[in-house]
Amino acid sequence: AQSVTQLGSHVSVSEGALVLLRCNYSSSVPPYLFWYVQYPNQGLQLLLKYTTGATLVKGINGFEAEFKKSETSFHLTKPSAHMSDAAEYFCAVSDYGGSQGNLIFGKGTKLSVKP
Amino acid sequence: DADVTQTPRNRITKTGKRIMLECSQTKGHDRMYWYRQDPGLGLRLIYYSFDVKDINKGEISDGYSVSRQAQAKFSLSLESAIPNQTALYFCATSDPVGPKETQYFGPGTRLLVL
Repeated sequence: AQSVTQLGSHVSVSEGALVLLRCNYSSSVPPYLFWYVQYPNQGLQLLLKYTTGATLVKGINGFEAEFKKSETSFHLTKPSAHMSDAAEYFCAVSDYGGSQGNLIFGKGTKLSVKP
Repeated sequence: DADVTQTPRNRITKTGKRIMLECSQTKGHDRMYWYRQDPGLGLRLIYYSFDVKDINKGEISDGYSVSRQAQAKFSLSLESAIPNQTALYFCATSDPVGPKETQYFGPGTRLLVL
């Protein structure tokens, strides 16, 4: 069965600093991996996703993530944090064992950005 | 206009009451989902529907029921609300292209059960 672990429920960075949000997955088959972002009082929206091909995936708002099979990781990064990046971020893996299209979410990491 | 809408956005109810949360979408997607979000627990799947005649239980379906009235509408009911059903509820939709499909979320319904 697939699963996702996000390390750190809360990450705080200064404006302009590197953002690194960690995600490790467990999957018995090649995974499809996603990062979603939830801004305050809003629903989730897709930041980026890895399906096949290039292991470095670029998303919206300057975020990117690298799929590392050997480390079973899909960490999310952004070189320079903005105040507007403050949100909760969810890593997810596609659920093969259940029904197609279902996503298994991590517990989320809340990002705070200090001025 | 938003592609996925949820009504109401906020609801306060009392223990034992029956309530319905509604979801509508204009994306033309066949697949629809209901999740609940609790602090520190992420999102957990309650029910999902792959088309109007196909409804399936998710991880935490006890105490909930659903109705898929049309391709565009998917309702979640709490037959007899209890306080531990206090949570943020999200509806989502997706196009059936396999495991790499993206889900599109509504803005959420915040439910408080007293």
